[in-house]
Amino acid sequence: EIVMTQSPATLSVSPGESATLSCRASQSVSSNLAWYQQKPGQAPRLLIHDASTRATGIPARFSGSGSGTEFTLSISSLQSEDFAVYYCQQYNNWPPLITFGQGTRLEIK
Amino acid sequence: QVQLVQSGAEVKKPGDSVKVSCEAPGYTFSRYYLHWVRQAPGQRLEWMGIIDPSGGYTSYTQRLQGRLRMTRDTSTNTVYMELSSLRSEDTAMYYCARSPVTIPAWYFDLWGRGTLVTVSS
Repeated sequence: EIVMTQSPATLSVSPGESATLSCRASQSVSSNLAWYQQKPGQAPRLLIHDASTRATGIPARFSGSGSGTEFTLSISSLQSEDFAVYYCQQYNNWPPLITFGQGTRLEIK
Repeated sequence: QVQLVQSGAEVKKPGDSVKVSCEAPGYTFSRYYLHWVRQAPGQRLEWMGIIDPSGGYTSYTQRLQGRLRMTRDTSTNTVYMELSSLRSEDTAMYYCARSPVTIPAWYFDLWGRGTLVTVSS
């Protein structure tokens, strides 16, 4: 099983500033990586797939990068609605053996 | 409206089975795979398995093999997830989510609201 490790566990940032979240895979997943945002009491929402492609309707302040084992989600000009938990997910297998990171909580500083 | 509509919350006893439904109105049922993902309180998301609504193909995570069964009803655009021999550790929010049929595009662009399953004696 591919283990996904996110860092930091919690990130405190002020509104208007930028945030950088990291995700590491225990082995290469090529570019088969997605990022999700989850708010309390809600289902996750897809932000990024294929490591760097924004999902439909996602603002340009969200960007993803990386390949292989190291990935980054960057959020610029943080808005109040961006404070949430963010998960990365790899999908590099057939048949699918999908795994998620443990999440990074982005909180208001 | 494109959405995934899940059945309501369930309370079960250890050893029971639970069956959760996920209806997919608003889009062509066969054009997306459907998955089940669960999230225990305070825990990370855990992928459970996939079903191809068109042909019925399924694949499950190894740790749930033997207890998990996914089925579909193409006449109602509904998929079902049945988990047997429930334990307290199965207490979680259960989500259905769809992914494109491209392989290996197993990312989830649409999620249900979740079904809370509580296992308690």
